[in-house]
Amino acid sequence: DAGITQSPRHKVTETGTPVTLRCHQTENHRYMYWYRQDPGHGLRLIHYSYGVKDTDKGEVSDGYSVSRSKTEDFLLTLESATSSQTSVYFCAIRPGTGGDTGELFFGEGSRLTVL
Amino acid sequence: DAKTTQPPSMDCAEGRAANLPCNHSTISGNEYVYWYRQIHSQGPQYIIHGLKNNETNEMASLIITEDRKSSTLILPHATLRDTAVYYCIVRVLTALDSNYQLIWGAGTKLIIKP
Repeated sequence: DAGITQSPRHKVTETGTPVTLRCHQTENHRYMYWYRQDPGHGLRLIHYSYGVKDTDKGEVSDGYSVSRSKTEDFLLTLESATSSQTSVYFCAIRPGTGGDTGELFFGEGSRLTVL
Repeated sequence: DAKTTQPPSMDCAEGRAANLPCNHSTISGNEYVYWYRQIHSQGPQYIIHGLKNNETNEMASLIITEDRKSSTLILPHATLRDTAVYYCIVRVLTALDSNYQLIWGAGTKLIIKP
């Protein structure tokens, strides 16, 4: 158990509404990531964080914003959800300290459906 | 864009070795190869990684060709619980803070048959 909790695990919302997904870790790891996974595809990086208030964009960041005000929480926000953002969202963490092999530890995913 | 190419699916008999190939012909000298697997719709699970030497751990072995353009993941004695999608991934450094990014492909769906 890597101590990662994603919430909500399932959400159905309507186009145009704001949505926030939360990733919470108990390990105090430095790096946190948000990925999306669509059918038949691997994971694609949305945003990542390398410390409190330090974030950067991934390959599919349009339409998403993130915030990290505490080490343990990384929030992903869809300001105005669209049907193309229907996906499964995974949060991941990485220690970023001595002995770090680059291995990511993933949460169980949040399934978002935008109608 | 993905930097790896894998067959979309493979079968393997239970108890036999499962050999999963991966091509990464454009890999750079400082880029690692990682393998993860995803069982059903759970979060991906790390298996192994390597740079140029062969690697082995309790889950699998990783064989990387000398030119580093391809690799093979070996599950020595496959069980039904090894049925999953296996991802071969290239880890690239970003310009910022020596962070890494994992560039994922579509993976290989491995089905272990009784």
